[in-house]
Amino acid sequence: EDQVTQSPEALRLQEGESSSLNCSYTVSGLRGLFWYRQDPGKGPEFLFTLYSAGEEKEKERLKATLTKKESFLHITAPKPEDSATYLCAVHGGSGSRLTFGEGTQLTVNP
Amino acid sequence: DGGITQSPKYLFRKEGQNVTLSCEQNLNHDAMYWYRQDPGQGLRLIYYSQIVNDFQKGDIAEGYSVSREKKESFPLTVTSAQKNPTAFYLCASSQRDTYEQYFGPGTRLTVT
Repeated sequence: EDQVTQSPEALRLQEGESSSLNCSYTVSGLRGLFWYRQDPGKGPEFLFTLYSAGEEKEKERLKATLTKKESFLHITAPKPEDSATYLCAVHGGSGSRLTFGEGTQLTVNP
Repeated sequence: DGGITQSPKYLFRKEGQNVTLSCEQNLNHDAMYWYRQDPGQGLRLIYYSQIVNDFQKGDIAEGYSVSREKKESFPLTVTSAQKNPTAFYLCASSQRDTYEQYFGPGTRLTVT
């Protein structure tokens, strides 16, 4: 059974204070790892897909990296508008379904 | 604009009533999904469909039903058998070869 664990559950940063969110996974054969951003009361917004260890993707202040056991979402010089819940999911080959972690709630204070 | 629409945004029902949530996509995606999200929790898969006229139970299918008569549409019925139906419901779709799921805006269902 595929499993995803995200840490920390919540993270509070000052504007400009860089940090990382962690996504640890257990999957029989990784076919993709996905990062999403979710604002309160809205549907998740797709950010990145990573397919193999060593792969990196960037978008504005966000950079996602992948190893064989975990993924990191690095946030460089965050702004208050980066405040959201960040979700990680894996596809391990069970049809087309994904397994989601419970998310990290990020708050960036001005 | 391509995307996924869910309606209504807010829905209120009395206990004992069935209710159907709408999900439509114009992304030409083969697969569609329904999730439930409770406060402070992750997404739990209710049902998914990889092709028209076929669907599979997810992790929490009891008390729910779906149909997939058209590629664009995947309605979810919350039946009176669902013991705790109040939640935020999310619909998503994906291409079968990439598995990147794209989500609709969600429907918040309140049953009293």
